[in-house]
Amino acid sequence: AQSVTQLGSHVSVSEGALVLLRCNYSSSVPPYLFWYVQYPNQGLQLLLKYTSAATLVKGINGFEAEFKKSETSFHLTKPSAHMSDAAEYFCAVSNFGNEKLTFGTGTRLTIIP
Amino acid sequence: DTEVTQTPKHLVMGMTNKKSLKCEQHMGHRAMYWYKQKAKKPPELMFVYSYEKLSINESVPSRFSPECPNSSLLNLHLHALQPEDSALYLCASSQQGGTEAFFGQGTRLTVV
Repeated sequence: AQSVTQLGSHVSVSEGALVLLRCNYSSSVPPYLFWYVQYPNQGLQLLLKYTSAATLVKGINGFEAEFKKSETSFHLTKPSAHMSDAAEYFCAVSNFGNEKLTFGTGTRLTIIP
Repeated sequence: DTEVTQTPKHLVMGMTNKKSLKCEQHMGHRAMYWYKQKAKKPPELMFVYSYEKLSINESVPSRFSPECPNSSLLNLHLHALQPEDSALYLCASSQQGGTEAFFGQGTRLTVV
């Protein structure tokens, strides 16, 4: 069984401030973890992934995430928010050979000018 | 090429109509997926095809009928839908189960 919890359905940050979106997972086997971004009326775009290699993962658009097994967390960060970062962000979990990708409920990120 | 192409982008259909959604990928991926996404909700898995065979059906009503004609194509046939079926329908593909999935832009379906 696997699940994902995203704390905070809405997060607002000022332009230039740190972005921190939280994700905790539950998995009975070693997980694969993903962050996706969705802009209005579009599909999901993969930001970054963790598949048991380096625990600090760098993605596109300046985002990164750190896998912490002891905390069962995979939080997404970006040092300096940009207006174009405003979107819905989904954390997701799966594992090798498992065709089911389980999504969190999503976090809507708003950037304040 | 990391693109999954979905057609049409928008579709309005009556409850007695029959229509099909199409999805295509040329990344050599062996798994293809249909998801349904309602407003302000995460995507919900509907079907998974693995090596062109249906491997997962998440108890989807029979008015939704998937088809995988070959390894690059995935269709979703729609018949006698209800207004509550209005949603964004997303297609995705992955190299194999568990690896990252690549999503299409979706088809915005409205049932009237």
